[in-house]
Amino acid sequence: GNSVTQMEGPVTLSEEAFLTINCTYTATGYPSLFWYVQYPGEGLQLLLKATKADDKGSNKGFEATYRKETTSFHLEKGSVQVSDSAVYFCALRNPMNYGGSQGNLIFGKGTKLSVKP
Amino acid sequence: NAGVTQTPKFQVLKTGQSMTLQCAQDMNHEYMSWYRQDPGMGLRLIHYSVGAGITDQGEVPNGYNVSRSTTEDFPLRLLSAAPSQTSVYFCASSPSGTGRGGSYNEQFFGPGTRLTVL
Repeated sequence: GNSVTQMEGPVTLSEEAFLTINCTYTATGYPSLFWYVQYPGEGLQLLLKATKADDKGSNKGFEATYRKETTSFHLEKGSVQVSDSAVYFCALRNPMNYGGSQGNLIFGKGTKLSVKP
Repeated sequence: NAGVTQTPKFQVLKTGQSMTLQCAQDMNHEYMSWYRQDPGMGLRLIHYSVGAGITDQGEVPNGYNVSRSTTEDFPLRLLSAAPSQTSVYFCASSPSGTGRGGSYNEQFFGPGTRLTVL
């Protein structure tokens, strides 16, 4: 079945450093790809998404590009802030006609980011 | 618009007890799902529903039951709690869409229920 692998953390950076969190996927069919963020003690919220090859999702200075040739969706930010400290999850969503698990969201294991002042 | 709500926020059970985790959404979403989050495991799908009256199993369904009698509500029942079910449980909802279009929609998550089974 479809799966997601993301780099394991934790990742610790200084404020204003460049961030990359790697994410690769295995999929048949044409899933959509997502990055979710979880702040301490909270639920998950959508950070950005891309629904087809070469799409770039962006939000709050974060970017990720859906690369079908490398099956990747790496998350980047040029200058992180202390407020970006959170756990980041890469995920793919199966199409609704994907037999046996239609519409299911499949997550990577999460990467904890800590940003120091 | 409250979004996705879950109750209770915290619960402690003894082994063998049963309980129901409540989930409700007010966005008229067809698709609802339950996940459990364990350290180092990400989120794993327990059960999901593509509409009222329709449910199906996810990756880790054993020990859990669900039903979907209304669009708004999707309760998760623990039949006989075990320590292995100690976890944080998240409910989520989204529009379904059709075919590949259904994959475009983000899922909206509730705040979670932290369950401890002694």
